[in-house]
Amino acid sequence: AQSVTQPDIHITVSEGASLELRCNYSYGATPYLFWYVQSPGQGLQLLLKYFSGDTLVQGIKGFEAEFKRSQSSFNLRKPSVHWSDAAEYFCAVASGSNDYKLSFGAGTTVTVRA
Amino acid sequence: DAGITQSPRHKVTETGTPVTLRCHQTENHRYMYWYRQDPGHGLRLIHYSYGVKDTDKGEVSDGYSVSRSKTEDFLLTLESATSSQTSVYFCAISEPRVSYNEQFFGPGTRLTVL
Repeated sequence: AQSVTQPDIHITVSEGASLELRCNYSYGATPYLFWYVQSPGQGLQLLLKYFSGDTLVQGIKGFEAEFKRSQSSFNLRKPSVHWSDAAEYFCAVASGSNDYKLSFGAGTTVTVRA
Repeated sequence: DAGITQSPRHKVTETGTPVTLRCHQTENHRYMYWYRQDPGHGLRLIHYSYGVKDTDKGEVSDGYSVSRSKTEDFLLTLESATSSQTSVYFCAISEPRVSYNEQFFGPGTRLTVL
């Protein structure tokens, strides 16, 4: 079974600074990868996804992520964070096109300081 | 936003009582899921459904049952609630024929078992 690790429980970043959230997965083949964001008291919203093709994917709200097969990673980045980016971020993985279940990481909480 | 509603949004109950949570969708998506979210664990899959009357267990299914008698409704039942089932419960939907494994989430139900 696949698993997902988000090594950072909590990250604090200054407004305007860059942000990188780490995600590592454990699965033999090429998985389907997702990043979701959850604002306080809200449900989860999809930021971006990777299925195949270009390993750098663009998402909403100015986020991007890069799939690196050699490192089993799918890290999320944003060049310049806004106060509204304070939230919890989840990486998720499905094992392939016939796997309709997602495995989630434990999440990374991002705090943005002025 | 995907048309997903959950009811109730908040519930406080006592140990040993039965509880039913409802997820309703207006998207006609084939797959529906129930997750629980707990600090440090991310989201964990409880049960999912791949069609009317077709359901299967997730990784944390003990103590929970589900039913799906209509495409639009997916019910989660705690037969005899315990304090360990205090959590935030999320429903999600997906339609693999349209968007692979991408899942859309409801707003969540906060359940407290005293």
